Amino acid sequence: SQQGEEDPQALSIQEGENATMNCSYKTSINNLQWYRQNSGRGLVHLILIRSNEREKHSGRLRVTLDTSKKSSSLLITASRAADTASYFCATPGGYQKVTFGTGTKLQVIP
Amino acid sequence: EAQVTQNPRYLITVTGKKLTVTCSQNMNHEYMSWYRQDPGLGLRQIYYSMNVEVTDKGDVPEGYKVSRKEKRNFPLILESPSPNQTSLYFCASGIFRDNEAFFGQGTRLTVV
Repeated sequence: SQQGEEDPQALSIQEGENATMNCSYKTSINNLQWYRQNSGRGLVHLILIRSNEREKHSGRLRVTLDTSKKSSSLLITASRAADTASYFCATPGGYQKVTFGTGTKLQVIP
Repeated sequence: EAQVTQNPRYLITVTGKKLTVTCSQNMNHEYMSWYRQDPGLGLRQIYYSMNVEVTDKGDVPEGYKVSRKEKRNFPLILESPSPNQTSLYFCASGIFRDNEAFFGQGTRLTVV
């Protein structure tokens, strides 16, 4: 079964607005990672938050992690057209096992 | 520059004709893996390798083979491709458990 499930599946916002996407997972994790994928291309790592962290920032990105609810959120502030992409959370459940969600497709309208 | 290189980027082939998709990384990572991405299903792991000569099945290994004779290379082999293997394939390198993973640019495979 899918470990990471993103929500919403699709999101359309105006440039300058904030975008929030959520990820829920089912089992215990060592860390949770967010990746971006531009259409049909490889995934690019955005940010990693460890299980003992609650919040992490990187530039315009803010990630939160709530291990009690088994959920994480990714906030992109002041969005740009170049942020248009699909966003995936990845949850390494074990040494070699990692599961990706189905992703949130973000469209930022100029 | 840290890189995962996949070849080819695009491939159209016929049912039953053996093919190999190559993957190479320059980061000296021990861990490499293959994924396929299909609409509505996200990324699903096909095989992974924790080191040279150590490989194991992921979630959807049927119809695929891999080998890891050298640390830098991890080819994906389709002995007898079928149309249900039409997909976008990604190779990844690096240990997810501790750090980020690096992905290749993808191979779009069509089996007719």
